Amino acid sequence: NAGVTQTPKFQVLKTGQSMTLQCAQDMNHEYMSWYRQDPGMGLRLIHYSVGAGITDQGEVPNGYNVSRSTTEDFPLRLLSAAPSQTSVYFCASRVRDRMNSPLHFGNGTRLTVT
Amino acid sequence: SQQGEEDPQALSIQEGENATMNCSYKTSINNLQWYRQNSGRGLVHLILIRSNEREKHSGRLRVTLDTSKKSSSLLITASRAADTASYFCATVPEGGSNYKLTFGKGTLLTVNP
Repeated sequence: NAGVTQTPKFQVLKTGQSMTLQCAQDMNHEYMSWYRQDPGMGLRLIHYSVGAGITDQGEVPNGYNVSRSTTEDFPLRLLSAAPSQTSVYFCASRVRDRMNSPLHFGNGTRLTVT
Repeated sequence: SQQGEEDPQALSIQEGENATMNCSYKTSINNLQWYRQNSGRGLVHLILIRSNEREKHSGRLRVTLDTSKKSSSLLITASRAADTASYFCATVPEGGSNYKLTFGKGTLLTVNP
C-alpha cells in the first residue's frame, strides 16, 4: 500500500494564479482532510470530507475549495493564490466511523506564493 | 484555535537519556493523541490515550493523562538519534466534532549522538 500520496512535493506560484494540490489514498478511508502547517502555528484544519460527495469546513477554509468525487481522491484548489497561502500542506485520512482511529498523513506539498 | 499546547518548545538531550514532553489543553476531551514528524515528512501516529485512561505504554513510549489538570505527558526512554523529530499532541474536545482533530504547536526534540 502506498498510503497517502500528495503531489506535487514543491510548487511556486505567483499571486493570483490558481492550482490544485492532489491527494490520493489507497486504504479505502472514508475520512480525508487537509491541514496547513506554518512556523509557530502548528497544523490547522482547512477542509475535510467524510465520504464521496460530502465536504465541510475546518478552521481556516477561506481561499480554498475542495470536492470529493471518489473515495480515493481529495484535491485542494487555490483559485487565486495569495502570499498568505505560503505554507506546507498536508493531506490526511482515516477510517470514518471509529473515533479513536489514527490519522495517516502524506508527506506534504510545500507551496510558495510570490 | 489551538486546543493543545506542548511544552517545552524545544528539547535537546544526549542519546540514552529520557525525554519528557508535556501537553496542556483547555477543554475536556474524548481522547488525546501523540504524533511524530521527522523533518520534511508527514506526521506519524504514535499513541492514543482515551479520557478514561491514565497511562499507556508502547515500546519505549509512555503516555500519561491527567484530566483534572488537563494535561498529558509523553516520555521516551533510552532515546536514540533517530528519535530526533517534532512531537505533537492532538485532541478532540468532548462534545466537539470527531472530524476536527486539533493539533498543538509541537516540541522539537534533538537527540545528540
